[in-house]
Amino acid sequence: DAKTTQPNSMESNEEEPVHLPCNHSTISGTDYIHWYRQLPSQGPEYVIHGLTSNVNNRMASLAIAEDRKSSTLILHRATLRDAAVYYCILRGTGNQFYFGTGTSLTVIP
Amino acid sequence: EPEVTQTPSHQVTQMGQEVILRCVPISNHLYFYWYRQILGQKVEFLVSFYNNEISEKSEIFDDQFSVERPDGSNFTLKIRSTKLEDSAMYFCASSGAGGATGANVLTFGAGSRLTVL
Repeated sequence: DAKTTQPNSMESNEEEPVHLPCNHSTISGTDYIHWYRQLPSQGPEYVIHGLTSNVNNRMASLAIAEDRKSSTLILHRATLRDAAVYYCILRGTGNQFYFGTGTSLTVIP
Repeated sequence: EPEVTQTPSHQVTQMGQEVILRCVPISNHLYFYWYRQILGQKVEFLVSFYNNEISEKSEIFDDQFSVERPDGSNFTLKIRSTKLEDSAMYFCASSGAGGATGANVLTFGAGSRLTVL
């Protein structure tokens, strides 16, 4: 599986936007970019995914670079409940789905 | 919203004992997975299961582990002769008919914490 690189940790003030970056320079043409998050003491939770175009859903937005070698997860207004580890994962064909170390997001009240 | 349900939420066992962790995936899902997370470490893929057989497994998933879908609803992970290092949170996940395409989304359960003494 292609590798992703994320910062280990980030901080954000409550009610401000958060941009979580992910680099995936070895992405292949069929790899989807997925974002999951893991709140403390819970299982991973799907956030958003995309292939080439930017995507929006009720939780977040995903901005994908034109060359697809990087992407950014955007939380439009961070809340304390958004404090979690956010994982950027490339998913191609096959059933493996590998988590990296992710970005630990701290939201400051 | 449909959920993946896991039981037990916490199990304590003695080293060398066998453990079965149970999962009820989302009813119309066809692909099933087990992951584990040792305390403070990352989520690790163990195995995926489709059409009543293992489709992929990691090097962690050795002969000590087995999976089964004994009926139409349950998906189980059996750990034979548990070791101290098997202590971890075990997550079950399922995904739908998108199958092995990259678009397929996983839904995870809340996990089963296994403590081996």
